[in-house]
Amino acid sequence: DTGVSQNPRHKITKRGQNVTFRCDPISEHNRLYWYRQTLGQGPEFLTYFQNEAQLEKSRLLSDRFSAERPKGSFSTLEIQRTEQGDSAMYLCASSLNRELFFGEGSRLTVL
Amino acid sequence: TQLLEQSPQFLSIQEGENLTVYCNSSSVFSSLQWYRQEPGEGPVLLVTVVTGGEVKKLKRLTFQFGDARKDSSLHITAAQPGDTGLYLCAGDTSGTYKYIFGTGTRLKVLA
Repeated sequence: DTGVSQNPRHKITKRGQNVTFRCDPISEHNRLYWYRQTLGQGPEFLTYFQNEAQLEKSRLLSDRFSAERPKGSFSTLEIQRTEQGDSAMYLCASSLNRELFFGEGSRLTVL
Repeated sequence: TQLLEQSPQFLSIQEGENLTVYCNSSSVFSSLQWYRQEPGEGPVLLVTVVTGGEVKKLKRLTFQFGDARKDSSLHITAAQPGDTGLYLCAGDTSGTYKYIFGTGTRLKVLA
């Protein structure tokens, strides 16, 4: 399978715990994106990378959110001290030109 | 804050009817895309438009980019149940491949 892969697909955690999501993009894609989506809404931009450089991080994100893309390959999105409002689908996408290819997402539920 | 507003938010129609979905913004876009998303999956690209006034057709779907590159429409002719899904527009305002998604239009086509 050469598509975008995200792990885990589902994560249930207690408020205050830290969680980490991983995204493996399509191998030749140089850009990688993270979005957050709640039910019935459009994806909300979180951050994106070109190779290993993080180009922009949404001002809506608190300091509890951090993303990395070491060596310009896979990426991780960490949420520290989770809150119930963090419950959402976290989508990763990769791109070589204009088209974004999305993974199936990681669904986070914070109890 | 969503830069891209879509209307209508929800649409339920009978098979065979025509429909139009709108995507509006006060910002000028260097490119604009339309995606369709089905439950449990990531969005899938339908089309990219880059030139003001551009019209693209994909089978029964017709996409138009506004002359001022601030708005777009998606028209579906003779809708089928397989067209059911969440339709999303996404725009890049800065030419840096940072895509912001619209609020989404949820379409349901009844057989």
